[in-house]
Amino acid sequence: DTAVSQTPKYLVTQMGNDKSIKCEQNLGHDTMYWYKQDSKKFLKIMFSYNNKELIINETVPNRFSPKSPDKAHLNLHINSLELGDSAVYFCASSQDVEDSYEQYFGPGTRLTVT
Amino acid sequence: QQQVKQSPQSLIVQKGGISIINCAYENTAFDYFPWYQQFPGKGPALLIAIRPDVSEKKEGRFTISFNKSAKQFSLHIMDSQPGDSATYFCAATPGYKLSFGAGTTVTVRA
Repeated sequence: DTAVSQTPKYLVTQMGNDKSIKCEQNLGHDTMYWYKQDSKKFLKIMFSYNNKELIINETVPNRFSPKSPDKAHLNLHINSLELGDSAVYFCASSQDVEDSYEQYFGPGTRLTVT
Repeated sequence: QQQVKQSPQSLIVQKGGISIINCAYENTAFDYFPWYQQFPGKGPALLIAIRPDVSEKKEGRFTISFNKSAKQFSLHIMDSQPGDSATYFCAATPGYKLSFGAGTTVTVRA
């Protein structure tokens, strides 16, 4: 059983389109995260939710909108995609906010914008 | 602005050798320092972590050394094996989010 799963694994789309990435965790964790990993492998946090409430919102363009329908799911919707959005997006979870040092990452979604 | 500085960017070590990765931070609010390992095409995975009240922690062939006064910490991979070839990230957290270093790609030559 995959602990943190993401769909799709690959996403190729054109500039200006809208796309969504879904994430689910079956670990019973309270806190979930979205990260962006660029071509230089730098990992940057984008958002964090704790018990469906947004607790971290880094300086991310408002074209990116996270949604947490329940504790086990955190989806990422991206409007008006741009070339610079091409990256690998990782979902992660931790038991709770205080355990943020121990995060479980999904396999990633490679987004390519052409 | 990167809160955790990591070096080197990459390193090559012979099988059986020692890999050393160094990290430095400024934020004294950081209270937990994990290391993550990432294989190509996979998500990062927690490898080992240390609190600042401990100077060293060892798990198998992986050891973290921590110098609180210098605000530096390092990962030593002893007896490096080809299966250790991966990207290693140091990180730090004040308790609610992780700040990652830029990563070090380690290649172990057989």
